[in-house]
Amino acid sequence: NAGVTQTPKFRVLKTGQSMTLLCAQDMNHEYMYWYRQDPGMGLRLIHYSVGEGTTAKGEVPDGYNVSRLKKQNFLLGLESAAPSQTSVYFCASSPSRGTGGRSYTFGSGTRLTVV
Amino acid sequence: SQQGEEDPQALSIQEGENATMNCSYKTSINNLQWYRQNSGRGLVHLILIRSNEREKHSGRLRVTLDTSKKSSSLLITASRAADTASYFCATDGGSARQLTFGSGTQLTVLP
Repeated sequence: NAGVTQTPKFRVLKTGQSMTLLCAQDMNHEYMYWYRQDPGMGLRLIHYSVGEGTTAKGEVPDGYNVSRLKKQNFLLGLESAAPSQTSVYFCASSPSRGTGGRSYTFGSGTRLTVV
Repeated sequence: SQQGEEDPQALSIQEGENATMNCSYKTSINNLQWYRQNSGRGLVHLILIRSNEREKHSGRLRVTLDTSKKSSSLLITASRAADTASYFCATDGGSARQLTFGSGTQLTVLP
């Protein structure tokens, strides 16, 4: 099983450029999430989705948009990149709520630098 | 804002010693989870403890949960150099649909 796959793994953008990060999972999970990780700040939730066609804002959504057109894919878009968006981005997925509790499966991350 | 806060922020021990990391949180939870992150990699789920459990074991890992103090601890026994990583606690608050992660403990195990 591939689990959660993120593409690309690395990217350098110029300020004002746009890009899309792709997350794909093959575990038939209902929920998907986008986090950013910055030194000393842990993981902060950007957006999440509880099902195909639905998305919701997390803790730090400004400057990002997302789409979940297919259950297995969750896209994160930056319309006009800013240096403050330099970070490592992680996608995760989980089953919907159940009695066993939900644990996340993470992708390996995308390291984005905005210059 | 982070729900869980780990303590210490960094920990350095010798191989073979035990490592203990603590996590405190603020609101009621359904369960608490611990994750490990090796340098440059994604987080990997280690163990989940439900709010009605007090202790749980998995191999060399022992997790305790004290809901009255809103705290949890992760003990790694007989540590190995390969245990060097960052460790994060994450809380599942029930009504919220996402986990909330702490800022992590960086563990270094010296050979």
